[in-house]
Amino acid sequence: KAGVTQTPRYLIKTRGQQVTLSCSPISGHRSVSWYQQTPGQGLQFLFEYFSETQRNKGNFPGRFSGRQFSNSRSEMNVSTLELGDSALYLCASSSRAGSSGNTIYFGEGSWLTVV
Amino acid sequence: AQSVTQPDIHITVSEGASLELRCNYSYGATPYLFWYVQSPGQGLQLLLKYFSGDTLVQGIKGFEAEFKRSQSSFNLRKPSVHWSDAAEYFCAVGNYGGSQGNLIFGKGTKLSVKP
Repeated sequence: KAGVTQTPRYLIKTRGQQVTLSCSPISGHRSVSWYQQTPGQGLQFLFEYFSETQRNKGNFPGRFSGRQFSNSRSEMNVSTLELGDSALYLCASSSRAGSSGNTIYFGEGSWLTVV
Repeated sequence: AQSVTQPDIHITVSEGASLELRCNYSYGATPYLFWYVQSPGQGLQLLLKYFSGDTLVQGIKGFEAEFKRSQSSFNLRKPSVHWSDAAEYFCAVGNYGGSQGNLIFGKGTKLSVKP
């Protein structure tokens, strides 16, 4: 079956703009998490959604938001973009919430460059 | 606090040589442990996971890892490295949500392979 699909793969935005990234989880998976990856900070957790509800949120400013739809697809939005938001944004899906005996699969990521 | 340490930032091995990537974790409960690999410009691919049972787990691409509770380690090994194994490797421990999310990652070890 298809893996985690993220769109777009690459995008360039200007400071002050906003961006929306999309993630389609593996079929049947109801949990979607988002991570930001940068060379300096590594992989940092943004938020997790399960059955359209945000379960957990990382330590990011309110400019970062997300949502999950009834079909488990998820979007994340970053408003008022800053240069430091340039990163690889990774989406992960799993069949259940949490990590207890739960395998978590990642997508290819969306590369965001802010200029 | 829960954490994962990968002591080696960069390792270079010759093709055909054996490989061991180190991972140490700090976690209060029974850990769920993962190794992921990331090729340049790509997302994270799951290599293997440990949930319980046999402490030596086999993964894809000929990799294996051994869980040693007494040493809080989960080292990744491969008997003979191929040039295509050049990538960055991330160790992660499953976490029970919160602001760190469901996976706590190490900083990664970049593997270079000499011909």
